[in-house]
Amino acid sequence: EVQLVESGGGLVQPGGSLRLSCAASGFSFTTYGMNWVRQAPGKGLEWVSYISSSSSTTYYADSVKGRFTISRDNAQSSLYLQMNSLRDEDTAVYYCARGADGYNHWGQGTLVTVSS
Amino acid sequence: DIVMTQSPDSLAVSLGERATINCKSSQSVLYSSNNKNYLAWYQQKPGQPPKLLIYWASTRESGVPDRFSGSGSGTDFTLTVSSLQAEDVAVYYCHQYYSIPHTFGRGTKLEIK
Repeated sequence: EVQLVESGGGLVQPGGSLRLSCAASGFSFTTYGMNWVRQAPGKGLEWVSYISSSSSTTYYADSVKGRFTISRDNAQSSLYLQMNSLRDEDTAVYYCARGADGYNHWGQGTLVTVSS
Repeated sequence: DIVMTQSPDSLAVSLGERATINCKSSQSVLYSSNNKNYLAWYQQKPGQPPKLLIYWASTRESGVPDRFSGSGSGTDFTLTVSSLQAEDVAVYYCHQYYSIPHTFGRGTKLEIK
């Protein structure tokens, strides 16, 4: 069974940093591109970042470019999102999602709250 | 960026009746070299992550009931629920993965009348 489990969320002050993790199991992690997608409270879905299976290609939404860094460790079947210079508007549930042609598996999400 | 515009924002349909949700992209998501539309549909229930229903505009994901169908090409797409069941109450999102940044529609809330 495919499983994606996010962790690392929490309350952080504006300007602070957090590192999110996504532990993958039940599939060959090394063969899939992965994404981070976020959802602000009561709002819709916003794609945040993508990383290819080999880490050779990464993409970011303009809203996080220069502040967030996506990475992965294929040996550990793990996906990461390093978030720096956090802003109030980064408050959201962050999901990791598998795939590039439609996201066919999602984690349950981890809540990031940016507030003073 | 490709803007995805969904309509309506909300929809109330009687049990057993048809529900239709529309999605329009600001530019074509049809890739001419493989004749595929880079368009997906998701269902999201409260407190849950989104669930992929349809990809390539009309291909049903494994395990998705056949009352869900997707159609359209280029810039205009439709998700149809042929006979609404109580468990279909959710928010539905369209999503283009044709170009970066991948973008989603704002969602359509589907309810029982």
